[in-house]
Amino acid sequence: GAVVSQHPSRVICKSGTSVKIECRSLDFQATTMFWYRQFPKQSLMLMATSNEGSKATYEQGVEKDKFLINHASLTLSTLTVTSAHPEDSSFYICSARAMGGVLNTEAFFGQGTRLTVV
Amino acid sequence: GNSVTQMEGPVTLSEEAFLTINCTYTATGYPSLFWYVQYPGEGLQLLLKATKADDKGSNKGFEATYRKETTSFHLEKGSVQVSDSAVYFCALSDRGAGNMLTFGGGTRLMVKP
Repeated sequence: GAVVSQHPSRVICKSGTSVKIECRSLDFQATTMFWYRQFPKQSLMLMATSNEGSKATYEQGVEKDKFLINHASLTLSTLTVTSAHPEDSSFYICSARAMGGVLNTEAFFGQGTRLTVV
Repeated sequence: GNSVTQMEGPVTLSEEAFLTINCTYTATGYPSLFWYVQYPGEGLQLLLKATKADDKGSNKGFEATYRKETTSFHLEKGSVQVSDSAVYFCALSDRGAGNMLTFGGGTRLMVKP
């Protein structure tokens, strides 16, 4: 099946610094990538949807200036948490949807990134 | 709008017990339905899916049947193993909503030896 690689898997940063998380589709082209946030023992909350070459669409309540999303190519999207604070500590997961074909109905998920802000 | 409701956990079973995790959905269109599994500290993996009514998805001994009349997609396994301990998410994808995934709240399964 299609593979989505997310990096890093874990990151610890100091409060006030920025952290970049990468999401790559390794063997398919992803027209759309999704970024989710997951709090402990809770479901996934969609943060934003990004389409290659255009601005991301953010869900209500998600600060676009704090969570910068760039989808510069069909295989790479990045999420940058700017000026991170302890309340941003969470598990962030990306997913990617392929262009057309039988993969079109399915989203493939990265391994997730555990962000801890100290 | 679309929504997915699944039974709250945790569900605790002994090894080789029968598993059912209920999932019902509300959708404006004709969604595809999915079960994802999340092992501790990891992302989500697709477990199985069904794209139209009466389809049965199956994988690794797990099964779920797309029931349009009851708007359900219950997950079942005849004999669980300790290695099945994880969080299971029911989800739907609706073309009318741009194929965006809508997730249920997740159900934690714990299997004891």
